[in-house]
Amino acid sequence: QVTLRESGPALVKPTQTLTLTCTFSGFSLSTSGMCVSWIRQPPGKALEWLARIDWDDDKYYSTSLKTRLTISKDTSKNQVVLTMTNMDPVDTATYYCARIYRVVVDYWGQGTLVTVSS
Amino acid sequence: QSALTQPRSVSGSPGQSVTISCTGTSSDVGGYNYVSWYQQHPGKAPKLMIYDVSKRPSGVPDRFSGSKSGNTASLTISGLQAEDEADYYCCSYAGSSYVFGTGTKVTVL
Repeated sequence: QVTLRESGPALVKPTQTLTLTCTFSGFSLSTSGMCVSWIRQPPGKALEWLARIDWDDDKYYSTSLKTRLTISKDTSKNQVVLTMTNMDPVDTATYYCARIYRVVVDYWGQGTLVTVSS
Repeated sequence: QSALTQPRSVSGSPGQSVTISCTGTSSDVGGYNYVSWYQQHPGKAPKLMIYDVSKRPSGVPDRFSGSKSGNTASLTISGLQAEDEADYYCCSYAGSSYVFGTGTKVTVL
């Protein structure tokens, strides 16, 4: 059974760095074709893809946010970490991590709401 | 990467069919047969309904079907049911990234 769970602060101040952790089970990120992505959704708005890390440690980022994002993995702990620098109120959103297998974003975590406010 | 274009809303009576379009470019929808569709109920995480343009994951009713022509993909819900009322998002692989659609609210009248 594949599960993913996001964890991190619910509130961050403007200009701070956000660190989110995705802890997963039911699959291994060392399996060929396996990836984990981060996706966010501002309240009442559409989904936005942020970043992806692959089984071979290749990393890919949204063009518009790549200067602010870093994605990493700890395969032994079954965790993927996303950091986003210089947070702004417009970054207020529910942040999801999701599994990708053979290109398909198939399983999602429940999401974690991050509010950016002073 | 610009978001894929979906209609803001569609509606239908129980038993009817509705179709949601998803328009992109040759760099995403038109360039790959990797379009997925997600159903999202309020306060819930998205759920995969269609992948690889027209394939259904186990457990998804066959009332849901997908297709693609050129730069536009479509999701059709046949025999609309009350529980189908939700937001729907398309998503396309775009080389090394992914792009989501603007989202469509499906209302069951």
